[in-house]
Amino acid sequence: GAGVSQTPSNKVTEKGKYVELRCDPISGHTALYWYRQSLGQGPEFLIYFQGTGAADDSGLPNDRFFAVRPEGSVSTLKIQRTERGDSAVYLCASSSTSGGGLDTQYFGPGTRLTVL
Amino acid sequence: DQQVKQNSPSLSVQEGRISILNCDYTNSMFDYFLWYKKYPAEGPTFLISISSIKDKNEDGRFTVFLNKSAKHLSLHIVPSQPGDSAVYFCAASEGTDKLIFGTGTRLQVFP
Repeated sequence: GAGVSQTPSNKVTEKGKYVELRCDPISGHTALYWYRQSLGQGPEFLIYFQGTGAADDSGLPNDRFFAVRPEGSVSTLKIQRTERGDSAVYLCASSSTSGGGLDTQYFGPGTRLTVL
Repeated sequence: DQQVKQNSPSLSVQEGRISILNCDYTNSMFDYFLWYKKYPAEGPTFLISISSIKDKNEDGRFTVFLNKSAKHLSLHIVPSQPGDSAVYFCAASEGTDKLIFGTGTRLQVFP
């Protein structure tokens, strides 16, 4: 079946602008994760959804970052007033876990965000 | 503070030989460890995992070893193949689904 997809694959924006990054998880996966990977670093956890609700948003760096998953499937990561330091690859992953166990997270190809 | 560390940024190995990638962690509450492999322009792909109740897990050419007292794990690939050339990330979890990743080791397998 289809894997995790993310759109756009690349996004270039100007400092101060608003951006939305979309993630389509694997069909039927209840858990969805957002990570951010800066150059030379490993993926850094941002937020985790179980169904429609954010189960853990401890990784969101500040209140400019917000994510939603209104119907428990597609998720959108929203960044307000972008800063140059937000430039990174934003990775989305999904898993079939129902909570309590650690199921394999399947990653999408990422969205490369560049803030000029 | 980096809770998961991969101190070797790169490793070069001849085809057919063993590749050993290392990972150290500081959080004794981690109870699940994973290795992911990443090719350029793709997302990380799950490779192998190990629970803290075990000290070894094997899957084909890939074996992960866990030394809890040393807070160290390693990934062995034998025999190494050119297609194994990628960036390998070690990751750990503290009983939740939130993964903490290391900075990665770039493996190059040459003929």
